[in-house]
Parts: sequence; C-alpha cells; structure tokens
Amino acid sequence: QKEVEQDPGPLSVPEGAIVSLNCTYSNSAFQYFMWYRQYSRKGPELLMYTYSSGNKEDGRFTAQVDKSSKYISLFIRDSQPSDSATYLCAMSARTGGFKTIFGAGTRLFVKA
Amino acid sequence: GAVVSQHPSWVICKSGTSVKIECRSLDFQATTMFWYRQFPKQSLMLMATSNEGSKATYEQGVEKDKFLINHASLTLSTLTVTSAHPEDSSFYICSARDSGGSGQPNEKLFFGSGTQLSVL
Repeated sequence: QKEVEQDPGPLSVPEGAIVSLNCTYSNSAFQYFMWYRQYSRKGPELLMYTYSSGNKEDGRFTAQVDKSSKYISLFIRDSQPSDSATYLCAMSARTGGFKTIFGAGTRLFVKA
Repeated sequence: GAVVSQHPSWVICKSGTSVKIECRSLDFQATTMFWYRQFPKQSLMLMATSNEGSKATYEQGVEKDKFLINHASLTLSTLTVTSAHPEDSSFYICSARDSGGSGQPNEKLFFGSGTQLSVL
C-alpha cells in the first residue's frame, strides 16, 4: 500500500464547475499538507499549505484536511480552462525528518 | 512565494557527454534541496536529497556516481549527469525547502521550472 493514494484521472469538467480533488494517506504522523499545480513540462507550483486539520481558503481554492479519516481535499470553484493541469497532493511529518511524500497527481481538464 | 531558479530549461547533448543542471534559491536560504526525475504523465520520483556542506543522500536505485550532486552554498545546488546516455533522457526538477530565519523547518517546498534533457 502506498503511503499516499491519489486517483490519476484524468478528470474532465465543463468550465464553471466545482472540482473536487482528493488524497488518502496511511501515515497518521503526517502533519503538513500541501497541494501543488503542475502544468506540462513545468515545475510544480505551491497552491495551498495546511498544518494539521481544518480548512483553508484562497480565492477559488479551498483545502480541507480530515486527519481522523486520513483524507485531504482540494476544491476549485468556478473552474477555468487555465486550471487544466496536474494537481499533486503532498504531505510530510516531523517524525519522518520532514520527508515530503507526493501523490501520483490528478490530471484535470476544464473544457471551455 | 519563494523563487527557485533552474537552468537550463532544455539541453540536448550527445551520448557520453556530461550535463550540469543548476538550481538556485533566489530569495531565501535553502539548507536542503531535492532533485527529482519525472517521466511523461507520471509523478515526481525523488532521486536525492542535497544538504549544504555535506554529501547528498541518494534514493535506492539511483547511481550516485552517475548523478553527481553538489550543494556548495545555501542558495545553489547542482546536478551533473555524467556520461549521459539516451536512457537518461528525462525531465529533471529541483526543489528547495525554505529553512526559515529562525532555524525552524518550513515544510513548504518550492520548485524550479525543470530541465528537459535529451541525449542523442
């Protein structure tokens, strides 16, 4: 079993839709949770950063962490064609020497 | 957010030659940098962890003599692919962890723009 599970998709939605991206994990020690967006042939860009449980909102993006279920989500409201990219979840723990574990990435296509 | 500069973006080389890729943190100090390899439509594969002033730590299966890493300063790490062969063709990405002025670890990783290596 992988430490972090993420559906690779692809996920295709119409413009304006609400997108829900998710990851599950097995290591209860994870404390730091991140979402990255990666366009083709570019480096990942940090979108959201959350410590421990709870929600965090930034513009059209909302990140949720449910540590009891070992489940994290990223919601994108009013999705745009420019949101078409691969979204990677990532997490780390102090006990693991802060080694960051990445999900496989979900490919998202937003159709105009 | 913090900026990590990676150069070159593209490199084409002949088989048997060596290629150096640079990764610089522009507005923060990075005691730790990471090097990844990424194949098309796949996630990041961590190759090695580069620590300033010490030897890099390589992941299992990564040849340290082939992928030489140097982290001589708090803002620069280099990856040299020695005697490159076509199977080394890939997208290489670096990332840096902002160590924070207080010395407390910051979990945010900032990535370079990547280097596409093509070995003929």
